[in-house]
Amino acid sequence: GESVGLHLPTLSVQEGDNSIINCAYSNSASDYFIWYKQESGKGPQFIIDIRSNMDKRQGQRVTVLLNKTVKHLSLQIAATQPGDSAVYFCAEDTNDYKLSFGAGTTVTVRA
Amino acid sequence: SQTIHQWPATLVQPVGSPLSLECTVEGTSNPNLYWYRQAAGRGLQLLFYSVGIGQISSEVPQNLSASRPQDRQFILSSKKLLLSDSGFYLCAWNLRGQAFFGQGTRLTVV
Repeated sequence: GESVGLHLPTLSVQEGDNSIINCAYSNSASDYFIWYKQESGKGPQFIIDIRSNMDKRQGQRVTVLLNKTVKHLSLQIAATQPGDSAVYFCAEDTNDYKLSFGAGTTVTVRA
Repeated sequence: SQTIHQWPATLVQPVGSPLSLECTVEGTSNPNLYWYRQAAGRGLQLLFYSVGIGQISSEVPQNLSASRPQDRQFILSSKKLLLSDSGFYLCAWNLRGQAFFGQGTRLTVV
């Protein structure tokens, strides 16, 4: 869902632990979802995506889970590293030429 | 491969001055193009999108305008900047749902 005007939630995680970042989306007609990573001063970069006909997809150290029943998306990062510190956004394709972005979560990795 | 160029990277402008930010895409034709703004510590706000030359859709009323004079060129403009226009501006293009972002322009209005 849209996040205009909202401050970003935060997640602090110990290096080596697993991270779970959650996102709620709003449009039940959305059929494509993406996770982005944004490092300070840079544009968002694609991490992983998932279509609505799937409920789980795995990449390198990342897993995305989709629960269409409750319109919930999560990103799991295994063995979190210092380089994983960033802001993470979920986005949904609402089938009207636009991607709608979630509020974003700031992840800080503690050494 | 497709690339997106956005410039300048940083910009400091006085209140009341004009603005022109440019974005170009290479390696694709007829892309959907977008301008987003991100205030410090906040999420992405969609400002404008374009599905073709001369076609601009505005998402929020504001002091800014956009134009698409060529297929792979998207320009964000203002005639008179306000302090509230400060932020991080991102250009993006969309291919089959996945958006690719430029590196952004940090605009500070003083």
